[in-house]
Amino acid sequence: AQTVTQSQPEMSVQEAETVTLSCTYDTSENNYYLFWYKQPPSRQMILVIRQEAYKQQNATENRFSVNFQKAAKSFSLKISDSQLGDTAMYFCASPGGGGGADGLTFGKGTHLIIQP
Amino acid sequence: DSGVTQTPKHLITATGQRVTLRCSPRSGDLSVYWYQQSLDQGLQFLIQYYNGEERAKGNILERFSAQQFPDLHSELNLSSLELGDSALYFCASSPRPNRDTQYFGPGTRLTVL
Repeated sequence: AQTVTQSQPEMSVQEAETVTLSCTYDTSENNYYLFWYKQPPSRQMILVIRQEAYKQQNATENRFSVNFQKAAKSFSLKISDSQLGDTAMYFCASPGGGGGADGLTFGKGTHLIIQP
Repeated sequence: DSGVTQTPKHLITATGQRVTLRCSPRSGDLSVYWYQQSLDQGLQFLIQYYNGEERAKGNILERFSAQQFPDLHSELNLSSLELGDSALYFCASSPRPNRDTQYFGPGTRLTVL
């Protein structure tokens, strides 16, 4: 079974600081992809960033970037110049939700709080 | 707005009852996924449909069933409801059955009393 581990239940930083959220995963697939989703208080699941495992270059989306270490099965999310609107739960996810390759397996999440 | 719609937003019912949750995928997406988010189990994949056919099953209980209709909307049926079924149920969609980003709907909050 696929596993995704987020070891930081909660993090708190000041506005404008940089913060890194950790994620490790386990998969038996060779060609896979990984996601970070954000869940603000509205409970909507919002895609933050996606990484293809075959790409050596780390994905970047504006202030959000990943540090993908394939051999270590590590997939951390870096948020630069953090903003109050970044306060949310952040979930790391990989395919392999059980029974098939397509359902996502999620970590337990990191609650990120941006302090003014 | 992801383009995925779910109805109803909230549902309150009693133990032993049956409910139906509805999902309309983004325009052009053929694959639909159902997830359950609860305090004790976290986010769990339940089931996936692609172009009307069941494609993958996750941790879906036998009391739960789903289907995808010719117009590609999907319904999740929950029966013999128990208190522990109270959760947020998400639908997600993607264009193809695999290796595509999944876009989530706003969820249906189910409360079983």
